[in-house]
Amino acid sequence: SQKIEQNSEALNIQEGKTATLTCNYTNYSPAYLQWYRQDPGRGPVFLLLIRENEKEKRKERLKVTFDTTLKQSLFHITASQPADSATYLCALASNSGYALNFGKGTSLLVTP
Amino acid sequence: DTAVSQTPKYLVTQMGNDKSIKCEQNLGHDTMYWYKQDSKKFLKIMFSYNNKELIINETVPNRFSPKSPDKAHLNLHINSLELGDSAVYFCASCPGQGTTEAFFGQGTRLTVV
Repeated sequence: SQKIEQNSEALNIQEGKTATLTCNYTNYSPAYLQWYRQDPGRGPVFLLLIRENEKEKRKERLKVTFDTTLKQSLFHITASQPADSATYLCALASNSGYALNFGKGTSLLVTP
Repeated sequence: DTAVSQTPKYLVTQMGNDKSIKCEQNLGHDTMYWYKQDSKKFLKIMFSYNNKELIINETVPNRFSPKSPDKAHLNLHINSLELGDSAVYFCASCPGQGTTEAFFGQGTRLTVV
């Protein structure tokens, strides 16, 4: 069966450090992978999309890598801030393309 | 203008009741979804619609019946509510077939007592 796995343990880091979150998947043949942010009581908000032919993508302090051989994506937040504290979700389209499936998310806490 | 709006935001009801959640998107998107987020925060897809047509039903009990009167609306009706239906339900839309970013509503927190 298709699986998207994210580290279920919360990640606590100090302000200014780089946070690195991991997303591993099985039984997907993704053309692209997405990352979302979810704050308590809110819906997920899209952050970045990376395509299978892109090794790396950046947006401001965010960087995503995508390794289709390892079946893994890494999500980095550099110079982290307390405002970055949230749950981060990895998402992949099903092989049919009609469903967008999410991992369970990793909770990030950035302390001053 | 809110891109994807759901109503109500909160819903508390007794077991056995029937309730509906409404969703509207003003983005002109072709694809709309319903997701359920349980107490463990796992966001699980329930239904996918493309141009008012049901594309995916992810083994959801038939007590749940989505209806799409037009491309901009996807409502969720739930019959005979059970305790296990308590969760946050999210509506989302995307331009087509999940190929780009999805836009989510603010969620409807359903509590069945």
